[in-house]
Amino acid sequence: AQTVTQSQPEMSVQEAETVTLSCTYDTSESDYYLFWYKQPPSRQMILVIRQEAYKQQNATENRFSVNFQKAAKSFSLKISDSQLGDAAMYFCAMGSGGSNYKLTFGKGTLLTVNP
Amino acid sequence: DTGVSQDPRHKITKRGQNVTFRCDPISEHNRLYWYRQTLGQGPEFLTYFQNEAQLEKSRLLSDRFSAERPKGSFSTLEIQRTEQGDSAMYLCASSRSSSNQPQHFGDGTRLSIL
Repeated sequence: AQTVTQSQPEMSVQEAETVTLSCTYDTSESDYYLFWYKQPPSRQMILVIRQEAYKQQNATENRFSVNFQKAAKSFSLKISDSQLGDAAMYFCAMGSGGSNYKLTFGKGTLLTVNP
Repeated sequence: DTGVSQDPRHKITKRGQNVTFRCDPISEHNRLYWYRQTLGQGPEFLTYFQNEAQLEKSRLLSDRFSAERPKGSFSTLEIQRTEQGDSAMYLCASSRSSSNQPQHFGDGTRLSIL
C-alpha cells in the first residue's frame, strides 16, 4: 500500500517571500510519479508540478520547484516570490499502479499568503 | 481543451434516496477516474475506466455504488440508498493513457445527505 504524508496542516508566508511545503511518501513500487496539486477554495484541483521517480533532476515550473530525495522518500515543494493567488490547499500525490492510474493523496497543507 | 465537466455541482438529498452524478472528460482523454474527498482530507481513489472498461474498483466502493462509462465518453456514478457517510465531494478526473500524463480534475459534485 502507498501512503503520502503531509505533516504541515497549515502554513503561512508573506507576499514575495519563499515557502516550502513538506511531503513524504512510502511505496514498494519502483516506477512512480509524484505530483503537487493546488485546490483553491471552491475551485477545481490544478496540477502545479510533477516529478518522475526515475529522474534525478528536480522539476521546476516558473516559481515552483521541488526537492526530490528518493532515498529519503521526500518530495517538498518550494514556492518562490509568493503571490496572493498562491493561497490554496496544496496536495502532494503519488501515482502508481503500472501506468500511473491511481493517485494517492496526502491530507493537504493550507497555504495562506499575507499581503 | 474545454476541461472536465461535472454535473450537478451540488446535490442535497434525503437519506435513503438514490443519486446519480455525471462526468464529461476532456474529449481526447480515454482514461476517466472517480475520487471522493471528505472534509479535511485529500481525495481518495474510487474507480477508473480505460475507454468503456472499468479496470479497478476501490474497496471504498461498496455495493451501493456503481459507475458506468457506456460509450467510453461520459461517465455516471450512482449511489443507491444514500447514507449520512456518503456526504462528500465527488471528483472526476481524466487523462490520456500514457504513463506520464497527468490527471485533470473537474470542479466536483458536492453531495449532502439530510
